[in-house]
Amino acid sequence: AQSVTQLDSQVPVFEEAPVELRCNYSSSVSVYLFWYVQYPNQGLQLLLKYLSGSTLVKGINGFEAEFNKSQTSFHLRKPSVHISDTAEYFCAVSEGQAGTALIFGKGTTLSVSS
Amino acid sequence: DSGVTQTPKHLITATGQRVTLRCSPRSGDLSVYWYQQSLDQGLQFLIQYYNGEERAKGNILERFSAQQFPDLHSELNLSSLELGDSALYFCASSERPTDPRTQYFGPGTRLLVL
Repeated sequence: AQSVTQLDSQVPVFEEAPVELRCNYSSSVSVYLFWYVQYPNQGLQLLLKYLSGSTLVKGINGFEAEFNKSQTSFHLRKPSVHISDTAEYFCAVSEGQAGTALIFGKGTTLSVSS
Repeated sequence: DSGVTQTPKHLITATGQRVTLRCSPRSGDLSVYWYQQSLDQGLQFLIQYYNGEERAKGNILERFSAQQFPDLHSELNLSSLELGDSALYFCASSERPTDPRTQYFGPGTRLLVL
């Protein structure tokens, strides 16, 4: 059965520093990977996705992620964070045919301070 | 704005009561998913409808049910409510032909059972 592990529950970082939020998944078939962001008291917003093709995917707000099949990882990165990036970030996976439900990790809280 | 709408935004009710949460998918999306977000369980898939038919079930309690109507909006019915049902309930939609896998989330309904 597929599962998603977000290795860090909280990541504190200073403004303008780089950040990496780690995500590992387990699946025996082709996977499709997503990162969502949830700002306080808001819904889930799609940051980026990997469906096929280039393993380096770019998303909104300067975020990018790299799909690594051999390491079953999909880490999220940003070279320079802003205070406004403070939020909870969720990694999610679906597998198989289109229309399969997402399995989410437990989330990583990114706290950016000045 | 994802294009997915949910009403109401907040709901406060008492134990034993029944409530209905409503979701309108993005125009052109045929699938609707319901997810529950709670502090102890994280984000969990409840149920999926595709073009009016139930397609998949996740960790949905027997006290909960859902349906999708001909205009593709969906309702999640929660009955005999318990304190532990307090959570954020999200609806997501997907499966337009150009992008069948990506799910877009609504703003959620925050349910508080007292």
